Amino acid sequence: AQSVTQLDSQVPVFEEAPVELRCNYSSSVSVYLFWYVQYPNQGLQLLLKYLSGSTLVKGINGFEAEFNKSQTSFHLRKPSVHISDTAEYFCAVSKMDSNYQLIWGAGTKLIIKP
Amino acid sequence: DAGITQSPRHKVTETGTPVTLRCHQTENHRYMYWYRQDPGHGLRLIHYSYGVKDTDKGEVSDGYSVSRSKTEDFLLTLESATSSQTSVYFCAITAGGVNTEAFFGQGTRLTVV
Repeated sequence: AQSVTQLDSQVPVFEEAPVELRCNYSSSVSVYLFWYVQYPNQGLQLLLKYLSGSTLVKGINGFEAEFNKSQTSFHLRKPSVHISDTAEYFCAVSKMDSNYQLIWGAGTKLIIKP
Repeated sequence: DAGITQSPRHKVTETGTPVTLRCHQTENHRYMYWYRQDPGHGLRLIHYSYGVKDTDKGEVSDGYSVSRSKTEDFLLTLESATSSQTSVYFCAITAGGVNTEAFFGQGTRLTVV
């Protein structure tokens, strides 16, 4: 069975500092990988996704993630965070032969300190 | 923003009563999903639909049923609400399955007392 682990439930970071949110997954088959962001009292929206090709994926709002197949990881990074990045971030995985099943991590709350 | 609307946005109901949540989309997307979000669990799939009258169960479907009589509407019914169903419910839509971008509604906060 697939599973997704987000190692940190909360990550506090100072404004303009870099940040990395960690995501590891377990799967015996090839997968698609996603990061979604949820701002307070809103639904989720797609930040970026990896389907194939280059392992470094760039998304919206200056975020990027790197797919590492050997370590089964898909960590999210941003070189300099802003107060507006305060949100909860979710990593998700889908098997390539699945049309419906996204497996979600528990989420990481990014807390920006002024 | 994708045209996806959930109603109601907030509801308080009593244990044992039936509750129906509605998801309405204007994007003509084929796939629709109902998730519940609970602290420490991320999102868990309740049911999904891959076309009109075509639905299937997700990982936490017990106590829930769905219907999709039109492309644009996907209803989630709690047949007899329990306190364990207190949660935030999200509807999502995709055009071509989960490898395409999912668009989410604003969520429905349901409290069962």
